[in-house]
Amino acid sequence: GENVEQHPSTLSVQEGDSAVIKCTYSDSASNYFPWYKQELGKRPQLIIDIRSNVGEKKDQRIAVTLNKTAKHFSLHITETQPEDSAVYFCAAPTGKLIFGQGTTLQVKP
Amino acid sequence: ETGVTQSPTHLIKTRGQQVTLRCSSQSGHNTVSWYQQALGQGPQFIFQYYREEENGRGNFPPRFSGLQFPNYSSELNVNALELDDSALYLCASSSSGLENSPLHFGNGTRLTVT
Repeated sequence: GENVEQHPSTLSVQEGDSAVIKCTYSDSASNYFPWYKQELGKRPQLIIDIRSNVGEKKDQRIAVTLNKTAKHFSLHITETQPEDSAVYFCAAPTGKLIFGQGTTLQVKP
Repeated sequence: ETGVTQSPTHLIKTRGQQVTLRCSSQSGHNTVSWYQQALGQGPQFIFQYYREEENGRGNFPPRFSGLQFPNYSSELNVNALELDDSALYLCASSSSGLENSPLHFGNGTRLTVT
């Protein structure tokens, strides 16, 4: 069936470094790609999303890039801070919004 | 603006029992989706309700059922509970039944089946 693959499953960076998380999707009809951040014991919260009519979107230290031909999209976090430590989920619509397995990001001070 | 609220926050049930989880959608939202999140996993889509009708279902057995009410609040019912049903159940509301509408999640109900 349709699915969303997310890599890596864990990522550890030093404060100030950049972090990149990648997702691939299988449904070529997908046209909306959100990223959610989930802190321990809290709800997933939307941090950025992109629609298929653009290739890149940026919001301060966070950016998302989309390659529709290759069917993958990536989350980029620059100048990471300890408060960026959380689990990040990508998602893509394949009928309904389907989530990746998550990436645990640890930012070491 | 009132966000998505879920109740109860925690629940412990015994295998074979039935459970009902409740969700109030964010004001202005007419669509509710339910997700199951096992520990260390991504949310798995259970089903979605749009204007009181089921509007899509994931790979879950019929013992998972739901309702949406005229005020767009929703219930998730699970019959014949199994140990593997232990998970965080997340409700999310959105402003339309379209798959490209941003989801706003509640804090979830932590269900433990013993």
